[in-house]
Amino acid sequence: DIVMTQSPDSLAVSLGERATINCKSSQSLLYSSNNKNYLGWYQQKPGQPPKLLISWASTRESGVLDRFSGSGSGTDFTLTISSLQAEDVAVYYCQQYYTTPPAFGQGTKVEIK
Amino acid sequence: QVQLQQWGAGLLKPSETLSLTCGVYGGSFSGYYWSWIRQPPGKGLEWIGEINHSGGTNYNPSLKSRVTISVDTSKKQFSLILTSVTAADTALYYCARRRVTSTSGGCFDPWGQGTLVTVSS
Repeated sequence: DIVMTQSPDSLAVSLGERATINCKSSQSLLYSSNNKNYLGWYQQKPGQPPKLLISWASTRESGVLDRFSGSGSGTDFTLTISSLQAEDVAVYYCQQYYTTPPAFGQGTKVEIK
Repeated sequence: QVQLQQWGAGLLKPSETLSLTCGVYGGSFSGYYWSWIRQPPGKGLEWIGEINHSGGTNYNPSLKSRVTISVDTSKKQFSLILTSVTAADTALYYCARRRVTSTSGGCFDPWGQGTLVTVSS
């Protein structure tokens, strides 16, 4: 099974500053036949289910603000919040869908400094 | 816009059977996998398994011996059965729609509201 590891476990960022979350997979998520990375990012606010933000490592979902961006390829991925807002306080998860079972990272808690 | 609404018993005793159902409203039932995911209190997300509209299933090997997922396409509902529960099965259980890619399953979107299942004697 593929293991997903996020870093850091938590981070505190000042309003308007950049937040960067890393995700590393135990094997490559890049499918050579279509050159796509099978990696998604989710946001979970307290008391709510997770919400899909980004699929294919860097494709923002409809309605997701452009301050959220995803990058990376192979085994190393990053979610960046370019200018942190109060409403971005949440736990963020990466998820691989390269193989079954799909697996999530342990989560990164983002707070306001 | 598709919405998922789930229901089922929230308090179980050890060795009992967990049973949850998820209804799909406002969208197509075919062309997706329909999944169950759980989240122990204060912890991360664990995929339990999934089913498609034809009844094809995939399960997490870690739970496979205790899990059954079934589907009722006429009602646009799918259900989770987890047998012989213990305190380790205490979690928030979510249903979710999973996209299908050309090679495998995809991301989960949307999710149900979640059902807290507590296992306690």
